[in-house]
Amino acid sequence: EDQVTQSPEALRLQEGESSSLNCSYTVSGLRGLFWYRQDPGKGPEFLFTLYSAGEEKEKERLKATLTKKESFLHITAPKPEDSATYLCAVQANQAGTALIFGKGTTLSVSS
Amino acid sequence: KAGVTQTPRYLIKTRGQQVTLSCSPISGHRSVSWYQQTPGQGLQFLFEYFSETQRNKGNFPGRFSGRQFSNSRSEMNVSTLELGDSALYLCASSVGLLRNEQFFGPGTRLTVL
Repeated sequence: EDQVTQSPEALRLQEGESSSLNCSYTVSGLRGLFWYRQDPGKGPEFLFTLYSAGEEKEKERLKATLTKKESFLHITAPKPEDSATYLCAVQANQAGTALIFGKGTTLSVSS
Repeated sequence: KAGVTQTPRYLIKTRGQQVTLSCSPISGHRSVSWYQQTPGQGLQFLFEYFSETQRNKGNFPGRFSGRQFSNSRSEMNVSTLELGDSALYLCASSVGLLRNEQFFGPGTRLTVL
């Protein structure tokens, strides 16, 4: 069964304290791995797509990496406005374009 | 470029009623997918429509249905509402090709009393 597990469930950081979020996946043929950010009461906001092991993408303070079993979202020198829930999702070859989501990591950054 | 829009944003219904939610995709996007988000189960895929045809369906009962119109706008319907149907219903649109990003709307918050 295709599944996605994210850790930790919650993470508290001080402003400027870098860290990483983990997304491990089991899928029968990875078509793509996606990272989203979700603020309370809003829909998920697209961040990155990764397609193959070794691929990396960056956007401002965020950097996403992908291996054959997991993905990491590295947050460098976070600011309070980075506080949100970060969701990881995969598309499997056998499941069309359906996204299979993890439960998310809720990040809180305090100043 | 306007994003995905969903109406209504909030709904309150009672058990046994039915409800219809609407989604307008980003201009030029031909694929629309629907997801249910609850605190316990997280985000779960309901179904996907492309060119007015259901292309993929998640593991939900037949009370959940949808359709897509020729202008790519989509509706989903839930009949005989149950308390457990209370959730945030999210619509996402994509260009429609494989290996593409899905962009989400703000969601419709459904409360079933």
